[in-house]
Amino acid sequence: DVKVTQSSRYLVKRTGEKVFLECVQDMDHENMFWYRQDPGLGLRLIYFSYDVKMKEKGDIPEGYSVSREKKERFSLILESASTNQTSMYLCASSPWGLAGTTSSTDTQYFGPGTRLTVL
Amino acid sequence: QQQVKQSPQSLIVQKGGISIINCAYENTAFDYFPWYQQFPGKGPALLIAIRPDVSEKKEGRFTISFNKSAKQFSLHIMDSQPGDSATYFCAASNQGGSEKLVFGKGTKLTVNP
Repeated sequence: DVKVTQSSRYLVKRTGEKVFLECVQDMDHENMFWYRQDPGLGLRLIYFSYDVKMKEKGDIPEGYSVSREKKERFSLILESASTNQTSMYLCASSPWGLAGTTSSTDTQYFGPGTRLTVL
Repeated sequence: QQQVKQSPQSLIVQKGGISIINCAYENTAFDYFPWYQQFPGKGPALLIAIRPDVSEKKEGRFTISFNKSAKQFSLHIMDSQPGDSATYFCAASNQGGSEKLVFGKGTKLTVNP
């Protein structure tokens, strides 16, 4: 089974703090993603990465940065946390090269989430 | 063009009933349509997925119906159980062009005993 783990389930930080959220996957997946989930807004993509040291902005990258130094690890960084970044953060991974695949299970697999509260 | 519109936002069904959640999309390049199930405190998990070469896919009590001409797809849960109470997300992607999924906003399903 694919396993995606996130370093913390719950995190409480103060406004202005630098926050690191860590994600590790054990399936040798090339792609990794960071989302935030808010009630009524669904899942919104923050950043994603196709490969080590490679990153691309998602739909809501403002206020966030990412780091991918190793294939299995993808970090989300809040440079200066603000109260509007209080949210559930979800990491996901998927295999590369889904074009042409007939498998319906080659898709994104999610971690359990980190509930971040910024006071 | 990149949106996936999901309805209803919430749904209450009696045990044994049929739950139906609908999604619509605009981008005709989408070629992969998964549904995710999320229980409180957990990350979303793949439930069932379909590609547009078939109009229906069934796995146990869960069925995806796909209407390519209408650009709509739906999840049907037969004989709904209280354990099915969760939030359901539809999604779509163009796997020939991007690895990204576009998600609907989710439907909170409550199945009453």
